Amino acid sequence: QQQVKQSPQSLIVQKGGISIINCAYENTAFDYFPWYQQFPGKGPALLIAIRPDVSEKKEGRFTISFNKSAKQFSLHIMDSQPGDSATYFCAASKETSGSRLTFGEGTQLTVNP
Amino acid sequence: DAGVIQSPRHEVTEMGQEVTLRCKPISGHDYLFWYRQTMMRGLELLIYFNNNVPIDDSGMPEDRFSAKMPNASFSTLKIQPSEPRDSAVYFCASSFRGINNSPLHFGNGTRLTVT
Repeated sequence: QQQVKQSPQSLIVQKGGISIINCAYENTAFDYFPWYQQFPGKGPALLIAIRPDVSEKKEGRFTISFNKSAKQFSLHIMDSQPGDSATYFCAASKETSGSRLTFGEGTQLTVNP
Repeated sequence: DAGVIQSPRHEVTEMGQEVTLRCKPISGHDYLFWYRQTMMRGLELLIYFNNNVPIDDSGMPEDRFSAKMPNASFSTLKIQPSEPRDSAVYFCASSFRGINNSPLHFGNGTRLTVT
């Protein structure tokens, strides 16, 4: 019940297009859903996060959509740029479990110029 | 702020040898995490500390792995003896007041190769 399933495994988008990455979780106790971005040779870095009391959060070109009833959340990257090419991880945690963050498998995004 | 500092960046060792990975968290952060990243298993939490005390080590693969945090500015992850299946990128991360209150700040990792 601790798993977070992420899809697709890889994604190729043209510059200016919309990138969409999806995640599904099983544990209804999860109450914090961050997305991390990782460039080659670097550690992951927090991109954007959402809590289940809202259905959407937007920061610049990045938007998280959250569907509590479906136990799904997704990352949308508008006007995708070659500099967005990276691996994206969704994650989930529940505050009562301390600081154990469960990551999805990752999506390798390539944005072609 | 220098961020989380890990050393070495790369480590190549032979099976059976002891390996020690080092981490300096961001000053003032009270949580420290060790993660392992592989293609097959993704990002796995090995252990995390709060105020230098190990809180959850359920992700530590087996007794060959051990982690210590002797003070707020230093942690080690030791593998003894190392095996080829331990080859991975090991990340150290820190946060302030836990992940539900602030983001994880990752170091750039140590790429371990065990031959």
